[in-house]
Amino acid sequence: NAGVMQNPRHLVRRRGQEARLRCSPMKGHSHVYWYRQLPEEGLKFMVYLQKENIIDESGMPKERFSAEFPKEGPSILRIQQVVRGDSAAYFCASSPTSGGTNTQYFGPGTRLTVL
Amino acid sequence: DQQVKQNSPSLSVQEGRISILNCDYTNSMFDYFLWYKKYPAEGPTFLISISSIKDKNEDGRFTVFLNKSAKHLSLHIVPSQPGDSAVYFCAASGYYNNNDMRFGAGTRLTVKP
Repeated sequence: NAGVMQNPRHLVRRRGQEARLRCSPMKGHSHVYWYRQLPEEGLKFMVYLQKENIIDESGMPKERFSAEFPKEGPSILRIQQVVRGDSAAYFCASSPTSGGTNTQYFGPGTRLTVL
Repeated sequence: DQQVKQNSPSLSVQEGRISILNCDYTNSMFDYFLWYKKYPAEGPTFLISISSIKDKNEDGRFTVFLNKSAKHLSLHIVPSQPGDSAVYFCAASGYYNNNDMRFGAGTRLTVKP
């Protein structure tokens, strides 16, 4: 009964490169959320996706960031032309449904370091 | 826009005593509240939640209290154990739309043996 899986756990990129972060939700969960945690800060919502649909991307930076959750395979958070300020821990969460007393379950995170 | 605030960045408690972690929120539309616990190098783990129709929810050693008029909630851990040492995040969302869950900055709890 695997939980939310994220890979890689650690990712190092040079400025200007692309970062691709993957998230496989818990079995039976069709809702995926991405959060970013900067040092000494709480988690900040970025985007909420269902299969093949972006439902809410109000927390996503307008440029360089994109997310998808294809019909098959994991959800991907893509950061193009990374800058040092993108260095953070990125957490993915999943839930079986949305709303109500729905609980989001988190993966272990991907720690992105931009050199 | 920090809608959920945890004003104490750290708390130290002796084993066996009560730990009280506090959280304040500003958005009156929030009506579902959660506490997550996070160990280093791991993702947050769901601990306990409460909806606005209640003022208390208990699960074993963990109790969450909600004071809607004060927009305040607290997590009580009794008795505290060394394994409870972690960062605790308070989170809040709307009952019918909890997609945009807001987190506090966290409180680091240390339980001393």
